[in-house]
This record gives sequence, structure tokens and C-alpha cells, in this order.
Amino acid sequence: SQKIEQNSEALNIQEGKTATLTCNYTNYSPAYLQWYRQDPGRGPVFLLLIRENEKEKRKERLKVTFDTTLKQSLFHITASQPADSATYLCALPFTGTASKLTFGTGTRLQVTL
Amino acid sequence: GAGVSQSPRYKVAKRGQDVALRCDPISGHVSLFWYQQALGQGPEFLTYFQNEAQLDKSGLPSDRFFAERPEGSVSTLKIQRTQQEDSAVYLCASSLVRAGYSNQPQHFGDGTRLSIL
Repeated sequence: SQKIEQNSEALNIQEGKTATLTCNYTNYSPAYLQWYRQDPGRGPVFLLLIRENEKEKRKERLKVTFDTTLKQSLFHITASQPADSATYLCALPFTGTASKLTFGTGTRLQVTL
Repeated sequence: GAGVSQSPRYKVAKRGQDVALRCDPISGHVSLFWYQQALGQGPEFLTYFQNEAQLDKSGLPSDRFFAERPEGSVSTLKIQRTQQEDSAVYLCASSLVRAGYSNQPQHFGDGTRLSIL
């Protein structure tokens, strides 16, 4: 069955450092992958979409890579700030359908001063 | 409003009661999704509407769950004869075009936190 894995342990980093979060998937050949941010008590907020023919995408301090051979996406936040502290979710479309997303469990990022 | 609005934000019900959760999507958005999110987990797909048509309800956990979007805008998720395992956050999301056409991002509301006693 299709499976998405994100590191369930919280990632603690110091302000100014680069945070790297991992999303691994199995039994998928997704046409694209999305990353969302979720704050406590709030709904997920879309950050970036990367397509299968794109190796890398950037938006301000964010960078996403997509390796379809390794079946992995990496999400980087450079020059991290305490305001970046949140849970980050990766999401892929269900195989055989583009109508629904399956989400990973998310990785909580904590940026400290 | 500018975003997806869900009401109520919190709902407490006794086991066996029926509940109705409302979602107001972004105006003009064609696609509407419902998700269930358990504590510490990612959202799990429940059902999908394209305008007023419910095209996918494969994620609904039982026939106690029912969703509608009669005029292609506001949607209601109804849970009948609630059980404790129904306790979760229910998220609604909308997107501009029909799903799969251009891989549009989904815009989420802040959810309804449902607690069944």
C-alpha cells in the first residue's frame, strides 16, 4: 500500500541555521508533491508544490527537492527564525487519482534563540 | 471572507447524538474536500466535491458519515449516532479548479474540533 514517512521526532535547531526535513514515500509514482505548514489549532497552509520533472524549487528562504529515484523530498528552511516553528506536512496525490491528497504525519520544527 | 471558514470551531456532543459541521469555502472555488485529523497525525481524506457533485467519498469511515454541498458552495458534514472514535479535528479545504487539472494547492479552514463524551 501507499505510504508516506516523515520523521515523527521533533527537529530542534538554533536560529540562523538551516533546517532540513525529509519526506519519504513508497509504492507511489506521484506527479507532484506539496509541502504545507500547520500551526497548533490551525489548518495547514500551502507552501510549495514541486512536479516530478522538477529537481528543485525555491521560494524566499524555502527550498524543496524531489528525487523520484530515491522516492524522497527534502524541505529546507535557510536562516531559520523562531517564527518558523511549526509542523511541516508533505502531501502527495493518491495513485490513480488526482482528486485527493494523502498526507504524512508531519515533522514538528522548533527553532530556538 | 477571504479564507475558508468552518463552524463551529469546537463541538462537544454525547455519544449517540448527531452533529453537523459547516464549511464555507473561498468564493468561486470549484473543489471542496473534507479531511479528518487525529492528534499527532496528518489529515486523512474523507470526501471530495466538484461543485455540487460528490465525486469521491471513499474516505468516509462508515455510513454514519454524510456530506453534502447542494448549491456548490457551502458544505455540511454530518455524523449520525456519534461514537467516541469520531473525536478528531475535521478540516475543510477548497481549491480553485477541479482537482487534477492543474495541481492547485488546497486552502484549508482552521477546522472543527469534535469531542464525543
